[in-house]
Amino acid sequence: ILNVEQSPQSLHVQEGDSTNFTCSFPSSNFYALHWYRWETAKSPEALFVMTLNGDEKKKGRISATLNTKEGYSYLYIKGSQPEDSATYLCASFNQAGTALIFGKGTTLSVSS
Amino acid sequence: DAGVIQSPRHEVTEMGQEVTLRCKPISGHNSLFWYRQTMMRGLELLIYFNNNVPIDDSGMPEDRFSAKMPNASFSTLKIQPSEPRDSAVYFCASRTSGSYEQYFGPGTRLTVT
Repeated sequence: ILNVEQSPQSLHVQEGDSTNFTCSFPSSNFYALHWYRWETAKSPEALFVMTLNGDEKKKGRISATLNTKEGYSYLYIKGSQPEDSATYLCASFNQAGTALIFGKGTTLSVSS
Repeated sequence: DAGVIQSPRHEVTEMGQEVTLRCKPISGHNSLFWYRQTMMRGLELLIYFNNNVPIDDSGMPEDRFSAKMPNASFSTLKIQPSEPRDSAVYFCASRTSGSYEQYFGPGTRLTVT
């Protein structure tokens, strides 16, 4: 059974704070690691797809790193804004590499 | 491209009724996935298809749940009979088997009273 774990479950920060979340996944039979941003009543929106150990990706104020040997990824948000409030989902492929298995997400709330 | 299309967007039904959720994947995508989102369990994979063939349905919670994909552009998830604990958001997603990028539909919010 593939377990993708995310922490913390929820987070509340003030506007302008920087924050980060953790995703852990089994390091064996690794294919790719996904980060999604999900706002209620909308579709999960893909942020990053990462495949290489040591990979680091950035989109605006959001960045992510990947360590496939130890099975973790970090998502960073620099200078949080209220519009960053959402649930951030991490997902890794199953052992067969055919389907994404998701963590339960980290729900971020940013107050102005 | 219109993206993954799901219908209905919202469904309210009474316990015991049959519910059918529909999904149209992105054209050209040959893998289709059904997920269920609940507060307790997060986003769970229910079943997925590759080239219209069900590959893994181990996530389907009970025999009351069934899914079909009669052709490359249409899939259904059926619950018969529905129960209040089936209330959740059901997402459909698709991708090309040679790609890691997976795209989600807007979801169907199901409420069973």
